[in-house]
Amino acid sequence: GNSVTQMEGPVTLSEEAFLTINCTYTATGYPSLFWYVQYPGEGLQLLLKATKADDKGSNKGFEATYRKETTSFHLEKGSVQVSDSAVYFCALSDLFAGKSTFGDGTTLTVKP
Amino acid sequence: DAGVTQSPTHLIKTRGQHVTLRCSPISGHKSVSWYQQVLGQGPQFIFQYYEKEERGRGNFPDRFSARQFPNYSSELNVNALLLGDSALYLCASGVREGISPLHFGNGTRLTVT
Repeated sequence: GNSVTQMEGPVTLSEEAFLTINCTYTATGYPSLFWYVQYPGEGLQLLLKATKADDKGSNKGFEATYRKETTSFHLEKGSVQVSDSAVYFCALSDLFAGKSTFGDGTTLTVKP
Repeated sequence: DAGVTQSPTHLIKTRGQHVTLRCSPISGHKSVSWYQQVLGQGPQFIFQYYEKEERGRGNFPDRFSARQFPNYSSELNVNALLLGDSALYLCASGVREGISPLHFGNGTRLTVT
């Protein structure tokens, strides 16, 4: 079956540091890949997506590239802010299953 | 526009009881999915409904059931509650079934004592 593995957290960075959160996946077929963010006390929000190999999703300074050869979708940001502190979830969506499979989330804390 | 709304926000039940959770999708969205999020883990897929028909079911026991109404709102029902059912239950809507970014509500926090 499908699965998503994220780097374990928590991750603590200083403001303006570079962020990488690793995500690898296992899937049959050709899934779409997503990053969602969950701020404290809120539901998940879509951060970015990529629907086919070599696509780059980007939003709010975050980027992730769909790498089929390494089955990865790592999240990056060049300069994090305190307001980026949240839990980040990598997910895949399989057309035929009609559902999304999520990783366990990575908690990011950014200190001023 | 209103986002995905879920009710109630918090709920406390006793083992063996039954619970009904409700969800209203974003206007125009015809797909509703339900997820269970246990503390410290990612959401786990329970059901997806599209155009009032079940389109997918996750690995959950038959105590879990759901339905979608003509106005595309949805209910998740859980019978014979167990302590392990304590979790955040998330509803998500999408424009269509299959590959589509999900728009999540803030969830219903269920505590079973």
